[in-house]
Amino acid sequence: AQKVTQAQTEISVVEKEDVTLDCVYETRDTTYYLFWYKQPPSGELVFLIRRNSFDEQNEISGRYSWNFQKSTSSFNFTITASQVVDSAVYFCALSGSSWGAGGTSYGKLTFGQGTILTVHP
Amino acid sequence: ETGVTQSPTHLIKTRGQQVTLRCSSQSGHNTVSWYQQALGQGPQFIFQYYREEENGRGNFPPRFSGLQFPNYSSELNVNALELDDSALYLCASSLIGQGQETQYFGPGTRLLVL
Repeated sequence: AQKVTQAQTEISVVEKEDVTLDCVYETRDTTYYLFWYKQPPSGELVFLIRRNSFDEQNEISGRYSWNFQKSTSSFNFTITASQVVDSAVYFCALSGSSWGAGGTSYGKLTFGQGTILTVHP
Repeated sequence: ETGVTQSPTHLIKTRGQQVTLRCSSQSGHNTVSWYQQALGQGPQFIFQYYREEENGRGNFPPRFSGLQFPNYSSELNVNALELDDSALYLCASSLIGQGQETQYFGPGTRLLVL
């Protein structure tokens, strides 16, 4: 069974502050994929970043960066210099690599409960 | 813009009725997945279709069924609607098997069951 936990229900920051969203996951798969999605009020889930379990290199993409720690099963996401347009619900998600009659986790996304981020001007 | 489209955008039904939701995948993708998102919750996996066959199902009863067509478009059918079926239904497409596991979502269909 797969599980994703986002302990922060809501975060409120002032524009230009840095903000980190926490994510902890559980899986039995040895190969898996981690994602962050953003859901603005319109409802559409927007893909932000993806990390494969076999690649622990952390990266920065513009104002986004992530910290993948396999030893602690965490995949945290940071927005640098937050902006009002960053206000949304952020979801961490996990998919595994099992495929077939015994149970498919490949391509099946398990989401956390989401973190509501509000950035004030 | 992900290239994934869904119709209708909003729908109101009464308990006991049946509903069909539609999704058009991003060009070149071979897999469609459906998710249900209740208010204030994360999306829950309903099922996935790969090459027109159901490949994986979440904890949803048989009255939730689906189809994937040769052009990779898909339908989600829900029979005997219940009040708890009120939710945002999201369709996602991906290209599985090519190292492209990322799922791209459509705008969703908001279903209200009265």
